[in-house]
Amino acid sequence: DTGVSQDPRHKITKRGQNVTFRCDPISEHNRLYWYRQTLGQGPEFLTYFQNEAQLEKSRLLSDRFSAERPKGSFSTLEIQRTEQGDSAMYLCASSSDYHNEQFFGPGTRLTVL
Amino acid sequence: ILNVEQSPQSLHVQEGDSTNFTCSFPSSNFYALHWYRWETAKSPEALFVMTLNGDEKKKGRISATLNTKEGYSYLYIKGSQPEDSATYLCAFLRGSQGNLIFGKGTKLSVKP
Repeated sequence: DTGVSQDPRHKITKRGQNVTFRCDPISEHNRLYWYRQTLGQGPEFLTYFQNEAQLEKSRLLSDRFSAERPKGSFSTLEIQRTEQGDSAMYLCASSSDYHNEQFFGPGTRLTVL
Repeated sequence: ILNVEQSPQSLHVQEGDSTNFTCSFPSSNFYALHWYRWETAKSPEALFVMTLNGDEKKKGRISATLNTKEGYSYLYIKGSQPEDSATYLCAFLRGSQGNLIFGKGTKLSVKP
């Protein structure tokens, strides 16, 4: 499968714990996006990388959230001191410079108890 | 604040019915309008990327139109099948490589 992959698919954690999610984009794509979807809403933009540079961050991305893409390939999204309001589906997408279509992974569903 | 609105929020139809959904978006600073289909436990799947006013695109029984001047797009499904059951999302793109701004989606259920 050469699509976007995300790991884990599901994560249940207790409030206050740290969690980290991973996204592997399509290999030739240099742009990588993180979105979050909460119940009843459409996906909302969190942050965007071009290669290893984080070019844009939404104000939804509080200081408890950090994203990295150290070698311009896979990316990680870490949430520190999770809160119940962080429960959501976290989606990753990638695209190339030559086409603005974004290809999505299956998401990581986070439940904070 | 950029808002993308979709209607209806949900739709229940019988197999064989034709249906359509609406997406409205800001008409200024338009670059592209994306339609996605999102089935439970799967990745959102791109259906169409539409860029030109008056665009009409078709993929099998699904088609879409675009009016950038008035800021709306319609998605049509002809002869709905149970496998069409999914959430249909539209998303607005301002710049050539910016983030997508999504509507809340239309959840379609097709009964056999």
